[in-house]
Amino acid sequence: QVRLVQSGAEVKKSGSSVKVSCKASGGTFRSSAFSWVRQAPGQGLEWMGGIIPLFRAAEYAQKFQGRVTITADESTNTAFMELSSLRSDDTALYFCASGEGSCRISSCYKSPNYQYDGLDVWGQGTTVTVSS
Amino acid sequence: SYELTQPPSVSVSPGQTARITCSGEALPKKFAYWYQQKPGQAPLLVIRKDNERPSGIPERFSGSSSGITATLTISGVQAEDEADYYCQSADGGVSSPVVFGGGTKLTVL
Repeated sequence: QVRLVQSGAEVKKSGSSVKVSCKASGGTFRSSAFSWVRQAPGQGLEWMGGIIPLFRAAEYAQKFQGRVTITADESTNTAFMELSSLRSDDTALYFCASGEGSCRISSCYKSPNYQYDGLDVWGQGTTVTVSS
Repeated sequence: SYELTQPPSVSVSPGQTARITCSGEALPKKFAYWYQQKPGQAPLLVIRKDNERPSGIPERFSGSSSGITATLTISGVQAEDEADYYCQSADGGVSSPVVFGGGTKLTVL
């Protein structure tokens, strides 16, 4: 049974960065597709980006390009999401989620293009509060 | 950017059937997934690939897709089914591999 445990709540100043971790246990870490999804207070779900650790390359939603970095450490079965240049509207609950995934093209090592077959397992969420 | 459209709210009485729709131009080519989210909890996958029910999800949850509309059906709704429901899919190209609908609040009267 796969389980995802995220790091604790963060309070950050505008303009700074935050890095959230997501430690996986059970399952096959390197071939799973990990996504980061955020939810602002009272709002819906928003996909930020994802990675399959096997390929070591992440892809990002256009909205977050240049501001988010997603990585994975196979030695510790941990995925990370770092968001920079924080603004007040980045205040949200950040989830990691995993599921089956695959590469949609011949190789995803340099130019990731992933297929995500459902987000089966979710972390507990990490609250990030950005204050001025 | 690609969008999936859901009704903001659906209300049903216990024991009735709830249907929640999700519309998107790429749905004829892309699978739909459905998630249930209760207050203070992480989302839970209830339907994958249009109509597959993950292990542990009650049989009263089912999914279908036709044309540009995917539908989550909950038969014999129970009070515990009151939650927000989100559809998820992808656009037809490569720019948005994961897109969520805006969510539907299911109220059990």
